[in-house]
Amino acid sequence: SYVLTQPPSVSVAPGQTAKITCGGDDIGGNSVHWYQQKPGQAPVLVVFDDKDRPSGIPERFSGSNSANTATLTISRVEAGDEADYYCQVWDRDSDDYVFGTGTKVTVL
Amino acid sequence: QITLKESGPTLVKPTQTLTLTCIFSGFSLNTSGVGVGWIRQPPGKALEWLALIYWNDDKRYRPSLKSRLSITKDTSKNQVVLTMTNIDPADTATYYCTHSWATPTYFDFWGQGTLVTVSS
Repeated sequence: SYVLTQPPSVSVAPGQTAKITCGGDDIGGNSVHWYQQKPGQAPVLVVFDDKDRPSGIPERFSGSNSANTATLTISRVEAGDEADYYCQVWDRDSDDYVFGTGTKVTVL
Repeated sequence: QITLKESGPTLVKPTQTLTLTCIFSGFSLNTSGVGVGWIRQPPGKALEWLALIYWNDDKRYRPSLKSRLSITKDTSKNQVVLTMTNIDPADTATYYCTHSWATPTYFDFWGQGTLVTVSS
């Protein structure tokens, strides 16, 4: 089955930039979606189709995807961005929706 | 405004069958492209997709759980039901209902989730 690997944690100071990676075999050939999950809450879609943002998501959230790594970038990080972040793809070989292992973003 | 809400038992015994209901509003499962799905999250662990049902009654299941899952819809009641058989303590998780559009897809709206504990 297809595996998506994320770093367990990323720490960033307020106002700085956080980069969260999502590694997978030829992930650049897939559409990658990203979710933010704050403690005790349901996930929220923050980026879809590699780089598009749903309505209401700040421009500070951006995405890219190439080769074997997709990246979610959070610019000008705020305390409210502290959360777990998950990447997700559809694995066409197994017709399975796969989530990454998750990354906890801590704002210092 | 799209909303989804899950309901079901909070405690289930091993080997029993779990039935979860999702009642939604703000969209119709008769609309081309629309799907409703289920995703779960064991305590402290990552998200895990379970099943999806589309407007045309196309159904998709997590391959490793396909034999234990069943998803159905009742468009007149704006309701989707997930059934999981032969429940095990490893199935303890928060179960989320989700809205999707198009296939393959992403999950753009989520319910609040319902915690199901499997224990004797």
